Amino acid sequence: DAKTTQPTSMDCAEGRAANLPCNHSTISGNEYVYWYRQIHSQGPQYIIHGLKNNETNEMASLIITEDRKSSTLILPHATLRDTAVYYCIVRDLNQAGTALIFGKGTTLSVSS
Amino acid sequence: GAVVSQHPSWVICKSGTSVKIECRSLDFQATTMFWYRQFPKQSLMLMATSNEGSKATYEQGVEKDKFLINHASLTLSTLTVTSAHPEDSSFYICSAWTSGRSGELFFGEGSRLTVL
Repeated sequence: DAKTTQPTSMDCAEGRAANLPCNHSTISGNEYVYWYRQIHSQGPQYIIHGLKNNETNEMASLIITEDRKSSTLILPHATLRDTAVYYCIVRDLNQAGTALIFGKGTTLSVSS
Repeated sequence: GAVVSQHPSWVICKSGTSVKIECRSLDFQATTMFWYRQFPKQSLMLMATSNEGSKATYEQGVEKDKFLINHASLTLSTLTVTSAHPEDSSFYICSAWTSGRSGELFFGEGSRLTVL
């Protein structure tokens, strides 16, 4: 059963911010929000994760709404190399050692 | 950072033969590794959970006798596709959580299997 809902695809111009939304309306208190991306023919790459506070690292920012029912991954200055499928996943850390279950993700196309 | 490495990155084999794919954690120990399969234009599907020193746990619909998993050490898990057929052609990806860190699951580069 899908725990997250993401748009199938999005386009973004090179140099602009890419804002990728994710709905997780049934998220529980112990579940974190994870974002991964997969560039064509490569293994998924970890981007960022968070519980309730906004997070930022060298790759992206994660904005989680106060009710935690949705989040947005922000790539501040998208480049052509950011073209990939982006996966939003919720995971309960009480289930340590279990696998991540991937949905269909959002295909982000960055163009010049 | 932690790295998970797979070998081979691609392999072509004849129908009926067996193929072994290795997954190594290069700078950390992984008591648990996961194997995924991905068909073209589809998402990753979890196949099995590989546990060091014990039997793997397979997801529903995955044939354990066809996809043999061996996790003999804390840094190596192998997936053997036995009697491969063209429908087994896929992208196989392994992953592992880094112990002692909060919440990163690292993935291998993937292994593309083509069965002729």
